[in-house]
Amino acid sequence: AQRVTQPEKLLSVFKGAPVELKCNYSYSGSPELFWYVQYSRQRLQLLLRHISRESIKGFTADLNKGETSFHLKKPFAQEEDSAMYYCALTEYGNKLVFGAGTILRVKS
Amino acid sequence: GAGVSQSPSNKVTEKGKDVELRCDPISGHTALYWYRQSLGQGLEFLIYFQGNSAPDKSGLPSDRFSAERTGGSVSTLTIQRTQQEDSAVYLCASSFSGGNTGELFFGEGSRLTVL
Repeated sequence: AQRVTQPEKLLSVFKGAPVELKCNYSYSGSPELFWYVQYSRQRLQLLLRHISRESIKGFTADLNKGETSFHLKKPFAQEEDSAMYYCALTEYGNKLVFGAGTILRVKS
Repeated sequence: GAGVSQSPSNKVTEKGKDVELRCDPISGHTALYWYRQSLGQGLEFLIYFQGNSAPDKSGLPSDRFSAERTGGSVSTLTIQRTQQEDSAVYLCASSFSGGNTGELFFGEGSRLTVL
């Protein structure tokens, strides 16, 4: 069974501080992992995916198969990063399963 | 339209009534998903349609919930005999080729309030 765990419901940091949103997963095959973001009053949207190995809006996420983790990181948080972040997992051709989400609040 | 469209955006109903929520996916997208978003529960998977395959209904919480997708396009989520715990935002999403690209395009959601 697929399962995605985001242990923090709320993460509050000051502007300019580093951010790490935690995501751990369990899987029975070779998953693909993603981070989705929902800004206030906007639709849920894809932020990044592990296969792309890209940096989006300064965020990166590295898949650690040994620790079954896919933590989202940014070295210097900005106020506009405040949003709800969801980690998600899919196996090829199957449904996308989301974690419970973490609210990130960046304080000035 | 340019994106996934859901209606109604808000629905207030009395306990015990039936409700229908509609989703119009992006044209050409073969996969369609329904999720439920509520405080403390995150995004709960409900049902997944992929092309002409049998839908994955494994997330439907009870037999009061059902969904259909007509002609491979528009989908309707039906909740019968609504209960207060059904109150949530119901999100629809579509994607071009199932789950393997992982990029789902979401609608704005239908907020259901059961009194």
